[in-house]
Amino acid sequence: QVQLQQWGPGLVKPSQTLSLTCAVSGSDVASRTAAWTWIRQSPSRGLEWLGRTYYRSTWYYDYGTSMKGRMTIIPDTARNQFSLYVSSATPEDTAVYYCVRADCSGLVCYLDSWGQGSLVTVSS
Amino acid sequence: DIQMTQSPSSLSASVGDRVTISCRASQRIGTHLNWYQHEAGKAPKLLIYGASTLQSGVSSRFSGSGSETDFTLTISSLEAEDFATFYCQQSFSAPHTFGRGTKVDIK
Repeated sequence: QVQLQQWGPGLVKPSQTLSLTCAVSGSDVASRTAAWTWIRQSPSRGLEWLGRTYYRSTWYYDYGTSMKGRMTIIPDTARNQFSLYVSSATPEDTAVYYCVRADCSGLVCYLDSWGQGSLVTVSS
Repeated sequence: DIQMTQSPSSLSASVGDRVTISCRASQRIGTHLNWYQHEAGKAPKLLIYGASTLQSGVSSRFSGSGSETDFTLTISSLEAEDFATFYCQQSFSAPHTFGRGTKVDIK
């Protein structure tokens, strides 16, 4: 059974960097059939796909357009975890953030294992 | 980016009702379409993937259909635990965008 446990600061000041880390058990971040994804949820935007990293002989990265180059995902195979960094945070980044595994073993990818969620508030 | 448009944005229904939610993609995506249920305070839950495949452990009262640009989630007989927000998501090309959600509440 795949489990994801995430953590990070719940309060970030505007212009600072938001960071979260997600530890994975029951699967390998270097799996060639998974993608490691960050999603956020807010009342104004609903669910928003932020980005993902995945390994297929080399590491690949995809990021959502809304993040406009502010976002970085870093995998850590030694610790079997992956991290999210969002620079120049604004109050609009206030949301519940989820780390998620996407199963891409079949013809389609789908988000089947979710972390518990982390409320991050951007405020001075 | 592929835009996903859900309708309606909200609906009121009673236990036992049949509920249908629509999702339209801005371009053809084959059957790369997933449905999720989100209850407040919980992580979203995968219901349907590949447009029509029921995720293991999910009740058979949920079903999905459609292909290319038009998709439907149907709840055959609404139960009390189904009152939540439902989202479609395309996984055809990154970014894997979501619809804005359909909130189902009690009439």
